[in-house]
Amino acid sequence: AQSVTQLDSQVPVFEEAPVELRCNYSSSVSVYLFWYVQYPNQGLQLLLKYLSGSTLVKGINGFEAEFNKSQTSFHLRKPSVHISDTAEYFCAVRPFSGGYNKLIFGAGTRLAVHP
Amino acid sequence: DVKVTQSSRYLVKRTGEKVFLECVQDMDHENMFWYRQDPGLGLRLIYFSYDVKMKEKGDIPEGYSVSREKKERFSLILESASTNQTSMYLCASSLRGEVYEQYFGPGTRLTVT
Repeated sequence: AQSVTQLDSQVPVFEEAPVELRCNYSSSVSVYLFWYVQYPNQGLQLLLKYLSGSTLVKGINGFEAEFNKSQTSFHLRKPSVHISDTAEYFCAVRPFSGGYNKLIFGAGTRLAVHP
Repeated sequence: DVKVTQSSRYLVKRTGEKVFLECVQDMDHENMFWYRQDPGLGLRLIYFSYDVKMKEKGDIPEGYSVSREKKERFSLILESASTNQTSMYLCASSLRGEVYEQYFGPGTRLTVT
């Protein structure tokens, strides 16, 4: 079985400051990794994903994440946040084989960007 | 532009009512999913379907059923709504295959009184 832990439920930050949202996972098999974002009153949209290759993945809106296999982590970073980045962010994993593309989500991190 | 639509954004029902939540996708996706989203719990999978008339239970199927009679449409049914089913319900779809992105609808906020 797989599980995902997002270590911070809320992260307040000032505009133009850097931010890191932390995600750790547990799995007995290899997994694909995803970050989704949910803006207020909207569904989720994909920010970025790690499938294979380079462990540093770049996504939309200036976000990037680094896969660390030894620490089973996939932290999301942005060097300078904007007010418009205020949203809830979800880390998710999917095991390599089987499961019909089922995703296992973390509890979410609410990012609040203040002016 | 890919699109997943849900029949209602907000719904208020009474305890014991039968509730239908509808989801339609226009991307010819094989897979469709129903999640519920609760604060502090993230998204939890209720049911998914990998083909017409095919369904699999997710992590929390109790109290729910589903129907998929056409490829583009996936319905979630609450046979007898209860107050603990008050939640945000999200539908998603994807192509078959493990690396494909799931596309989400805007969600239905259901309140059961």
